[in-house]
Amino acid sequence: KAGVTQTPRYLIKTRGQQVTLSCSPISGHRSVSWYQQTPGQGLQFLFEYFSETQRNKGNFPGRFSGRQFSNSRSEMNVSTLELGDSALYLCASSLKSGGSSGELFFGEGSRLTVL
Amino acid sequence: ILNVEQSPQSLHVQEGDSTNFTCSFPSSNFYALHWYRWETAKSPEALFVMTLNGDEKKKGQISATLNTKEGYSYLYIKGSQPEDSATYLCAWASGGTSYGKLTFGQGTILTVHP
Repeated sequence: KAGVTQTPRYLIKTRGQQVTLSCSPISGHRSVSWYQQTPGQGLQFLFEYFSETQRNKGNFPGRFSGRQFSNSRSEMNVSTLELGDSALYLCASSLKSGGSSGELFFGEGSRLTVL
Repeated sequence: ILNVEQSPQSLHVQEGDSTNFTCSFPSSNFYALHWYRWETAKSPEALFVMTLNGDEKKKGQISATLNTKEGYSYLYIKGSQPEDSATYLCAWASGGTSYGKLTFGQGTILTVHP
């Protein structure tokens, strides 16, 4: 079956712009989580959605937001981009809520560069 | 702040060596402990998800143990091969208000030399 698909894979933005990243989970998976990875940092939890509801949110400013649609596809948005937002953004889907005993299936990530 | 610590940060071994890594996590409010393997230019891939104290899991030459009371897990690789070179991540899941959130360690970078 098809894996987790993230688009776009690479993008370059300038400070102050906004960006929307998309994630299509594995068919049948209702949980979608988002993580940020920056150089020197581990994977940092952004948020998790399960059946269109945000279950949990990480310690990120309000400029980071997300949503999940009825078909379980998810988008995350970052407004007023800052240089420090340059990172690899990973999406992961799971049958169960992402923090439970269900393993995560990761996409290949969207690499965002902010100039 | 509840942290997940992994050691060592990096490891270089020769092909055929056995190796092990440690993941330390808060012992309170434990729900699950995940191990992932992340090869360069690929996506992280799940190795194990463990929930019970004393759990031992095995996949091929890789195995893991879990001690939830003292807050640690070990990952063992027996007879390392160059294709085992990757970053190994552990992640802690807690219950309560943090349900749905995984806290990842910084990872252990393993390089296996032929």
